Amino acid sequence: GNSVTQMEGPVTLSEEAFLTINCTYTATGYPSLFWYVQYPGEGLQLLLKATKADDKGSNKGFEATYRKETTSFHLEKGSVQVSDSAVYFCALKSGGSYIPTFGRGTSLIVHP
Amino acid sequence: DGGITQSPKYLFRKEGQNVTLSCEQNLNHDAMYWYRQDPGQGLRLIYYSQIVNDFQKGDIAEGYSVSREKKESFPLTVTSAQKNPTAFYLCASSPLDSEGGELFFGEGSRLTVL
Repeated sequence: GNSVTQMEGPVTLSEEAFLTINCTYTATGYPSLFWYVQYPGEGLQLLLKATKADDKGSNKGFEATYRKETTSFHLEKGSVQVSDSAVYFCALKSGGSYIPTFGRGTSLIVHP
Repeated sequence: DGGITQSPKYLFRKEGQNVTLSCEQNLNHDAMYWYRQDPGQGLRLIYYSQIVNDFQKGDIAEGYSVSREKKESFPLTVTSAQKNPTAFYLCASSPLDSEGGELFFGEGSRLTVL
């Protein structure tokens, strides 16, 4: 079956630090990959996505590259801000199913 | 604006009472979902539906019920049979026609059982 594994949190960084949140997956077929962000007390919203191998998704300074050879979709940002503090979820859709598989989420805390 | 509206945002319930959480979307999406979120446990799928008058159980359907009488609406009832209902509940929708289609989420409803 499909699964998504994210690094355990919380990840604590100082403002302007470099961010990496690791995400690896197992899936049938060729999945589409997503990163969602959840700010405190809110629902999830799509941050970025990639639908085929070697695609790079990007938004708001965040990037992730679909690496089929390593089955990974790591989230990166060159310089985080306090406003980036949130929970980040990696997810996939695969195998003809419209039901996504989510990782457990990684909490990011950015200090001034 | 198009989107998903959940209500109420906060709800308090006494033990033994059923409560219904509302979810309405105007995105013309076929698929709708209900998730439960507990601290540190990510999202768990309760029910999902891909068409009017049809829905399927997710991973944790016991103690919950849903209906899908209209494409736009997918209410969730938390029944008295749900042993630990205090949680944050999220409704979502998506198109059916593409695996690349992301989910659109509502703002969530926080249920507290007193």
